[in-house]
Amino acid sequence: SQKIEQNSEALNIQEGKTATLTCNYTNYSPAYLQWYRQDPGRGPVFLLLIRENEKEKRKERLKVTFDTTLKQSLFHITASQPADSATYLCALGRDSNYQLIWGAGTKLIIKP
Amino acid sequence: GAVVSQHPSRVICKSGTSVKIECRSLDFQATTMFWYRQFPKQSLMLMATSNEGSKATYEQGVEKDKFLINHASLTLSTLTVTSAHPEDSSFYICSAMHGTVHTGELFFGEGSRLTVL
Repeated sequence: SQKIEQNSEALNIQEGKTATLTCNYTNYSPAYLQWYRQDPGRGPVFLLLIRENEKEKRKERLKVTFDTTLKQSLFHITASQPADSATYLCALGRDSNYQLIWGAGTKLIIKP
Repeated sequence: GAVVSQHPSRVICKSGTSVKIECRSLDFQATTMFWYRQFPKQSLMLMATSNEGSKATYEQGVEKDKFLINHASLTLSTLTVTSAHPEDSSFYICSAMHGTVHTGELFFGEGSRLTVL
């Protein structure tokens, strides 16, 4: 069955450093992969989308890589700030429909 | 960016009563909306896909008579939890697609925390 794995343990990073989160998947061939941010008690907020034919995508301090051979995406936040503390979700989708498959998310804590 | 509004954000009800949650796209038309359920520290679980003017498509294991979905207009979808029980207590989130499936971006509501006593 389809499976998405994100680190279940919280990731603690010192302010100013680069935070790297991992999303691995099995038994699925996505056309694209997305990253969302979710704060406690709130709905997810879209951050980045990367397509299967793209290796890397950047947006301000965010960078996403997508390796379809390894079936893995890495999500980087450079110059991390305490305000970046949140849970980050990855989601996979295909062009044939709107539905996404979701990871459980990784909680990121940026310490001042 | 596009805005999706969800109401109420929190609701507490007695067992056996019904609760309605509204999801509105404020500045765009959404022919398709999605309803999710999320338990603490777990991934979003898609409950159903709501299509304007037609019946919702429910995921396997989701009772359509328990979770009534109505998508009467291009900007409003509602989820009604009928005869709620404590096990229905959860965080319910709606989302809407803005753009085409090729952009794939979903805009989410703020979520509704349901507590059934």
